[in-house]
Amino acid sequence: AQKITQTQPGMFVQEKEAVTLDCTYDTSDPSYGLFWYKQPSSGEMIFLIYQGSYDQQNATEGRYSLNFQKARKSANLVISASQLGDSAMYFCAMTSRDSNYQLIWGAGTKLIIKP
Amino acid sequence: NAGVMQNPRHLVRRRGQEARLRCSPMKGHSHVYWYRQLPEEGLKFMVYLQKENIIDESGMPKERFSAEFPKEGPSILRIQQVVRGDSAAYFCASSRAQVTGELFFGEGSRLTVL
Repeated sequence: AQKITQTQPGMFVQEKEAVTLDCTYDTSDPSYGLFWYKQPSSGEMIFLIYQGSYDQQNATEGRYSLNFQKARKSANLVISASQLGDSAMYFCAMTSRDSNYQLIWGAGTKLIIKP
Repeated sequence: NAGVMQNPRHLVRRRGQEARLRCSPMKGHSHVYWYRQLPEEGLKFMVYLQKENIIDESGMPKERFSAEFPKEGPSILRIQQVVRGDSAAYFCASSRAQVTGELFFGEGSRLTVL
């Protein structure tokens, strides 16, 4: 069965510092996709970044990068130069053939950026 | 440039009443997904629909919950005889094709059962 684990329920980070949000996953399917979404206090889900299991390079999108370590089954999100607007819940999610390509979600990490 | 539209944003029901949540996917998207988010938790998949067809309802409770995506009009998630445990945020997402990439989410409908 597929599973996503986010071990950090909450994090406080100083503005302008880099942040690493942890995500580990479990699947027996060799083909899968990993996603990170941001959910601000307003409630909407905002797509941040995607990594395919066969992608050779780590995904990057602006200040977001995904530290993909396949052997460890981890897909940590790195946010460089954090901003106050980065304060939100962050969810890691996975899709694979095992899950019939439906997204399996982690419990989320609440990130608070301190000024 | 309308994204995924969900309404109502907030819905209050008493136990035993019915709740209807609507979702209009992004233009050009024919795949719709419903997720439920309980407080302080991640999203849980409920159902995946294409126009007029339920493709996967493995996450949907067997009783009281139903979903449809008619040929014309929005997708509807219907909860009959609501109970307090149904209180949650219900998110709809759409995609152009089956999920192997980005999902576009609505802002969610928050159901409170008194």
